[in-house]
Parts: sequence; C-alpha cells; structure tokens
Amino acid sequence: AQSVTQLDSQVPVFEEAPVELRCNYSSSVSVYLFWYVQYPNQGLQLLLKYLSGSTLVKGINGFEAEFNKSQTSFHLRKPSVHISDTAEYFCAVSRNNNDMRFGAGTRLTVKP
Amino acid sequence: NAGVTQTPKFRILKIGQSMTLQCTQDMNHNYMYWYRQDPGMGLKLIYYSVGAGITDKGEVPNGYNVSRSTTEDFPLRLELAAPSQTSVYFCASSPPTGVLGYTFGSGTRLTVV
Repeated sequence: AQSVTQLDSQVPVFEEAPVELRCNYSSSVSVYLFWYVQYPNQGLQLLLKYLSGSTLVKGINGFEAEFNKSQTSFHLRKPSVHISDTAEYFCAVSRNNNDMRFGAGTRLTVKP
Repeated sequence: NAGVTQTPKFRILKIGQSMTLQCTQDMNHNYMYWYRQDPGMGLKLIYYSVGAGITDKGEVPNGYNVSRSTTEDFPLRLELAAPSQTSVYFCASSPPTGVLGYTFGSGTRLTVV
C-alpha cells in the first residue's frame, strides 16, 4: 500500500517569510497527491492536488506544491506567510477514491 | 450547502458504554469514510463505504461498526467504549468519479473515561 512521510512535525516561521513543508511518498504504482489544511477545531480542507500534467500545482491561499517523481516528493511552499496560515497541514496520497492515506501532519506556526 | 455534518461535536463516555456518531452529507456523494485523528499520528481510516448497503474495513476497524442504509447517512457505532478510543473522529465523503479529494466534517471529539 502507499504511504506518506511528512519530514517535519513542527515548523515555526516569522510572518512574511517563505516556508516549505516537506512530504515524501512511497508507492509501487502511480498515485494522486494532496495537501490539506486543518485550522484549530475544524475539519480538513483541500488545499491543492496533483493528478497529472504540470508538476507545479497552485492551490488556495497562495500555496503551491511541486511533484517530483524521481525523488518521490510533493513539497508545499508559500513565498510569504501570514499569521492566518497558522494551522496543521497534511500530505495525503491516493491510488483511487477510497484509499487515501495521510501523513502525520506538520504544525505550521507563524510568528509576528 | 451544508456539506458533511457530524454530531455530536463533543462527548464523554464511560468505559463500556456505547454510542453512535452521526454523519450525513447532502452532496449526493457515493463514497463516505470514517477516520480517527490522534496527536502526531495523522488520520487513520476506520471504515469506508462505496454506496448504500456496501461497507468495508479500513486500517483500524476493531471496536467499531458501521452501516449505510442511505446515500446520505453513514453512522459509526462504538459498542463497548475503551480509553484507547479517545480521539477526534472525522467523517468525509467524495464523489465516485474523478479524483477530487475528500470533503470533511468538522469532527467529533470523544473522551472515554
């Protein structure tokens, strides 16, 4: 089965600084990749997804991610973060519609 | 557009009690899922359903049961609550065609004491 490893459990960063949240995946077949965001006391919201085509994917709130097949990575980036980006971010991998596997999450804290 | 609705939002159970976590969606999604979220562990799939009358086990099904009598509803049943079931439970849904990602409910925080 496919699996996901998020390399950082916590990422503190100052406001307006760039950020990268790292995600590696493992699968013997082609997969789809996702990033979700979870704000405090809320459910997960889809941030962006990679299905095929261009390896650079743009999502909501200024986030983007790059799919790298040779390195089996799908890192999430934002050039300038805001206080409101403080949340937990989950990378996920799926082969089809009923087997999505999530990473352990990365808690992003944006400091003023 | 309500999306996925979960009730209750919070619940405290005593060991050995039973309860049902409710989940309903109004998007006519065929696929529905139950996950539990534990700190530092991400989300683990408990059960899922690909349509009314069809359910299957996920990664961590022990201690839980589900049913799917309608497209809209997918309740999760805990028969004999144990402290290990203290967690936050999320219900999600997705359409059967296209890979669009999941729509999640806002969660149920369950504490077993």
